[in-house]
Amino acid sequence: AQSVTQPDIHITVSEGASLELRCNYSYGATPYLFWYVQSPGQGLQLLLKYFSGDTLVQGIKGFEAEFKRSQSSFNLRKPSVHWSDAAEYFCAVVPTGGGNKLTFGTGTQLKVEL
Amino acid sequence: ETGVTQSPTHLIKTRGQQVTLRCSSQSGHNTVSWYQQALGQGPQFIFQYYREEENGRGNFPPRFSGLQFPNYSSELNVNALELDDSALYLCASSLDQTQYFGPGTRLLVL
Repeated sequence: AQSVTQPDIHITVSEGASLELRCNYSYGATPYLFWYVQSPGQGLQLLLKYFSGDTLVQGIKGFEAEFKRSQSSFNLRKPSVHWSDAAEYFCAVVPTGGGNKLTFGTGTQLKVEL
Repeated sequence: ETGVTQSPTHLIKTRGQQVTLRCSSQSGHNTVSWYQQALGQGPQFIFQYYREEENGRGNFPPRFSGLQFPNYSSELNVNALELDDSALYLCASSLDQTQYFGPGTRLLVL
């Protein structure tokens, strides 16, 4: 079955530490891949996306993500976390050639310790 | 450029009532999608409208219905509200495969 998995429900990091949030997908063909961030009670903000090409993608707020076809993964990274990065992060996919329906992972809640 | 807007921001209804939520798409975007996000969960796809026609639907009953207008704004209607309909309802607009979300409408059903 097609699915998106975010293995980590909660992650706590210290301010200034590096961050990696994991995302794995299970689709027949590589889907379009996205990361969104959601602050409490807010909508979703697009951080970055991958359609094709360079497997290292740069996004807003200093985030980047790396697509690894062999691992069916699209992990989100940030070299140095700021307290304002505390939020929920969602990995999402759209099947290529399959319309615009976004399928989301269950999300990872990031807590930043000062 | 104005982003995606939604109204109202919050709404309280009772079981059995009907509700209409509204969404204005980002300028130039001809596709609108609606999602339901229950507390502590990821958004779930309700349906999508492209140029005023429904263009895909998720696993939601027929009492969830929608419209898209010539200016590409959209409405989500929910009839016979149930307690489990309490959620954040998100609208997203797009021109290609990238969806941009509004702030959401939080619906509480009592």
